[in-house]
Amino acid sequence: DQQVKQNSPSLSVQEGRISILNCDYTNSMFDYFLWYKKYPAEGPTFLISISSIKDKNEDGRFTVFLNKSAKHLSLHIVPSQPGDSAVYFCAASGIHRNYGQNFVFGPGTRLSVLP
Amino acid sequence: NAGVTQTPKFRVLKTGQSMTLLCAQDMNHEYMYWYRQDPGMGLRLIHYSVGEGTTAKGEVPDGYNVSRLKKQNFLLGLESAAPSQTSVYFCASSYSRLRPREQYFGPGTRLTVT
Repeated sequence: DQQVKQNSPSLSVQEGRISILNCDYTNSMFDYFLWYKKYPAEGPTFLISISSIKDKNEDGRFTVFLNKSAKHLSLHIVPSQPGDSAVYFCAASGIHRNYGQNFVFGPGTRLSVLP
Repeated sequence: NAGVTQTPKFRVLKTGQSMTLLCAQDMNHEYMYWYRQDPGMGLRLIHYSVGEGTTAKGEVPDGYNVSRLKKQNFLLGLESAAPSQTSVYFCASSYSRLRPREQYFGPGTRLTVT
């Protein structure tokens, strides 16, 4: 059972508009959440993060929102640019009772920003 | 700085063969990680290390061994490869204290086991 879910495998957005990527998690022990961006044939690169004690974090065009009661977070990209076209992974971090520090990644959402 | 590098980039193995994947980082990071990524799934943690000489199991450690003899290197070994180990393998590293949870990834190794 996936602990971190990204229910939209793909998303297409017009250049200049807002992109909203969603992520849901099931484990209430997660205390830190991150978004990574991945281009083909490259490793993921860190984009933005948020601690569970906050509900919003902003960095330039990227904003992450966290709703702890709903176990939901979202990434907003405004305005979207063609260079934002990539796969976006949501990740959650916490301490696992069996193997200590753990990072759990969602399956990813492929964002296409159309010119 | 090269960041995180992985060797090799591609490899094809036959069932039962062994191999070692090498990960190197030049950022003086304490933490290093090995993940595998399979189609339709997120990255899954295989093993990780919190410092030179230490290793720990992650979510999917079976069939793999690791070693961290030098701070900058983290090796992932497959002693007897199986088709189920066909995957893309990513290595990552992170700071231990300042920003422990933000990982820097290598470009990946695509492994096929026939």
